[in-house]
Amino acid sequence: NAGVTQTPKFRVLKTGQSMTLLCAQDMNHEYMYWYRQDPGMGLRLIHYSVGEGTTAKGEVPDGYNVSRLKKQNFLLGLESAAPSQTSVYFCASSYRRQLRTGELFFGEGSRLTVL
Amino acid sequence: GENVEQHPSTLSVQEGDSAVIKCTYSDSASNYFPWYKQELGKRPQLIIDIRSNVGEKKDQRIAVTLNKTAKHFSLHITETQPEDSAVYFCAASKAAAGNKLTFGGGTRVLVKP
Repeated sequence: NAGVTQTPKFRVLKTGQSMTLLCAQDMNHEYMYWYRQDPGMGLRLIHYSVGEGTTAKGEVPDGYNVSRLKKQNFLLGLESAAPSQTSVYFCASSYRRQLRTGELFFGEGSRLTVL
Repeated sequence: GENVEQHPSTLSVQEGDSAVIKCTYSDSASNYFPWYKQELGKRPQLIIDIRSNVGEKKDQRIAVTLNKTAKHFSLHITETQPEDSAVYFCAASKAAAGNKLTFGGGTRVLVKP
């Protein structure tokens, strides 16, 4: 039981390059999220998904796209990377029913640097 | 949308003393308030949470209080130990919003031996 796994863990990009971050969870969670973490700003929600084939925008969606073709996977794409997207990215997942538990299970994070 | 403010941004305490972190939220419909701890270079992990139908919850040395009227909630850590040194995040969400958590800016806690 690996929980939430993110790949890659580190990546350096040049401005304008594209890349995809992959998140995989083996807990059969319905909901998945992508957050970015910047110093002093906490975790900010980029996009999220409430089920296979669905996605929705969070607080800071501009410059990112996502897809959830399979329940266990949630992909975050950067089509044309900018230095402002230098950050640590966290994927998370949770059960649908908050009454059961509202806990978010986070991956280890992916550190992205855009030069 | 929801806005969560967290204070202080840094907190230094002597080992054995108590630490208190305070958060305010803006959306009166929020009904779930978790606290996450993030050690250096690690992922955030849930340490305690509280729902809007409860005023206080305690788990060993940590406790959380909620004042719905004032829209603020606090984390209390008693008898602090060096392993309590970390960044702590408060958050808020409502069940109808896909369990989306809105996080505060974080508090860096340093426990000095």
